[in-house]
Amino acid sequence: DQQVKQNSPSLSVQEGRISILNCDYTNSMFDYFLWYKKYPAEGPTFLISISSIKDKNEDGRFTVFLNKSAKHLSLHIVPSQPGDSAVYFCAALEYGNKLVFGAGTILRVKS
Amino acid sequence: ETGVTQSPTHLIKTRGQQVTLRCSSQSGHNTVSWYQQALGQGPQFIFQYYREEENGRGNFPPRFSGLQFPNYSSELNVNALELDDSALYLCASSLPEMGGDNTEAFFGQGTRLTVV
Repeated sequence: DQQVKQNSPSLSVQEGRISILNCDYTNSMFDYFLWYKKYPAEGPTFLISISSIKDKNEDGRFTVFLNKSAKHLSLHIVPSQPGDSAVYFCAALEYGNKLVFGAGTILRVKS
Repeated sequence: ETGVTQSPTHLIKTRGQQVTLRCSSQSGHNTVSWYQQALGQGPQFIFQYYREEENGRGNFPPRFSGLQFPNYSSELNVNALELDDSALYLCASSLPEMGGDNTEAFFGQGTRLTVV
């Protein structure tokens, strides 16, 4: 039973435009969420996080939005750059310091 | 500040064999978690070690076991390998409590295990 779902396996965006990656979760006890980016042959690298007490967190070109009532979060990348092409994982922090990951979305930014 | 390093990077084993994967945690981090990432899926939590003790376990059978050493490095051992154990194994180091500024988990590059 997947508690964190990323329903779009892939997304293709033109350079300079906005990339929006979506994530849904089912466990209402989750109160901290993270986005990781993964390039081939590398481990996931932390991108941005958000606590459930907030509905938005920004870090440069990256913004994460959280809608608790809908159990939905999204990652916005503006403007998208070719170097952003990677797999993006949404993760929720479960009790006991365990990360619960979605299946990932492959982002391709075309130049 | 040293990052998380894993060895080996690639490994091929035969079904029924045993394997040991190794991980050195990031400087200052005393908690190590192991994840299995099968093809096309997100990482799945195997277990976590803190102060050399197992501190949480995911839905993996007992033939998956681990160790943590006094220097916080860790090993993942898998006995009686099965074809479905073929995956990328990721090690992550962190502080004991995540969920705040600068407390995220840092991952190694992973070990690609192929069971034939």
